[in-house]
Amino acid sequence: NAGVTQTPKFRILKIGQSMTLQCAQDMNHNYMYWYRQDPGMGLKLIYYSVGAGITDKGEVPNGYNVSRSTTEDFPLRLELAAPSQTSVYFCASSLSGGDTEAFFGQGTRLTVV
Amino acid sequence: TQLLEQSPQFLSIQEGENLTVYCNSSSVFSSLQWYRQEPGEGPVLLVTVVTGGEVKKLKRLTFQFGDARKDSSLHITAAQPGDTGLYLCAGGRNNLFFGTGTRLTVIP
Repeated sequence: NAGVTQTPKFRILKIGQSMTLQCAQDMNHNYMYWYRQDPGMGLKLIYYSVGAGITDKGEVPNGYNVSRSTTEDFPLRLELAAPSQTSVYFCASSLSGGDTEAFFGQGTRLTVV
Repeated sequence: TQLLEQSPQFLSIQEGENLTVYCNSSSVFSSLQWYRQEPGEGPVLLVTVVTGGEVKKLKRLTFQFGDARKDSSLHITAAQPGDTGLYLCAGGRNNLFFGTGTRLTVIP
């Protein structure tokens, strides 16, 4: 099984550009999450989803949007990129909520210049 | 937001020493998880503690969940260079919040 797959691995954006970070899981997990991790820090929850068609904000949702049209896919949209969004983005999935193991993708390193 | 504070933020020790990492919150959690993250990778689960007062051992790592289920600790005995990494506690119900992280460096 591939687990959680994120694309792209690296991206450089100019200020004001938009992009979508892709995330797909093949474990039939209901819960999916997007995090950002700044250098040397922990993970901050951006958005999460408890199932197809249901999404909710995390700790730092401003400047981002998500959708969950299928169980497998959970794309993260950045509108009007800003330097403050330079970070490493991780997607994760779990079978149920925060008491079950979360499986992570390899991350996307995004730089906004 | 359920804030999870970890201490210390950074820890640099010699091989063979013991250490303890703490994870504290003002909120009650039904369970807490501990993850380890290596550079360029996503976090990987080490253990989940689910019962107040529970102690779990994973080789040289000992995890404890506080009686009130608001805090947890990770104790490493005789640390080795391979233990180097970022240690993260995490908890939540319909979501999963991570702690502030403890970056451990074990010097050979």
